Amino acid sequence: DAKTTQPNSMESNEEEPVHLPCNHSTISGTDYIHWYRQLPSQGPEYVIHGLTSNVNNRMASLAIAEDRKSSTLILHRATLRDAAVYYCILSPNNAGNMLTFGGGTRLMVKP
Amino acid sequence: DVKVTQSSRYLVKRTGEKVFLECVQDMDHENMFWYRQDPGLGLRLIYFSYDVKMKEKGDIPEGYSVSREKKERFSLILESASTNQTSMYLCASTGWSPTDTQYFGPGTRLTVL
Repeated sequence: DAKTTQPNSMESNEEEPVHLPCNHSTISGTDYIHWYRQLPSQGPEYVIHGLTSNVNNRMASLAIAEDRKSSTLILHRATLRDAAVYYCILSPNNAGNMLTFGGGTRLMVKP
Repeated sequence: DVKVTQSSRYLVKRTGEKVFLECVQDMDHENMFWYRQDPGLGLRLIYFSYDVKMKEKGDIPEGYSVSREKKERFSLILESASTNQTSMYLCASTGWSPTDTQYFGPGTRLTVL
């Protein structure tokens, strides 16, 4: 399975934009790029996903490089509630639709 | 609101006890998963099931078994609990498409004394 690489941690100020990077240089043509986040003491929750084009939803934006070897999750205005571990995951079309979670990026938001 | 529920948020058991962790989803999902999460080790897949009565081993199945008698329910069983099974256990479910969201339960923090 293709792997992802993310920084261990990042810091942001409240109400400023945050760009969380993810490298996936061995991505295959059918791999979707998913982002999940895990708030303290909760299970992970879906944030956004994409294949080739940039995507926007109410939570975030996903910018995908033209060669698909990297992507960036963008939180437009970080709030204290956005402090979480963010996981970038590739989902190949496998049995059971499994996701493999890596270490993720711990985002700290300062007031 | 879609839901994955787990039978307990916190559980304390003694070494050697048989432990059942229950997970129920209300989204008619085919695929269900059990993970454990430990500090510094991230989420690790224990078992998953893609249909009723079907099960597949994940990355760390030793010491665990599972049961899926009904589509909505996936149980994780610790036949004889040990202290190294003290952990946060997370259940999840999803559909078949690679774009389907994986929904997680709130987790069960199990302590084995």
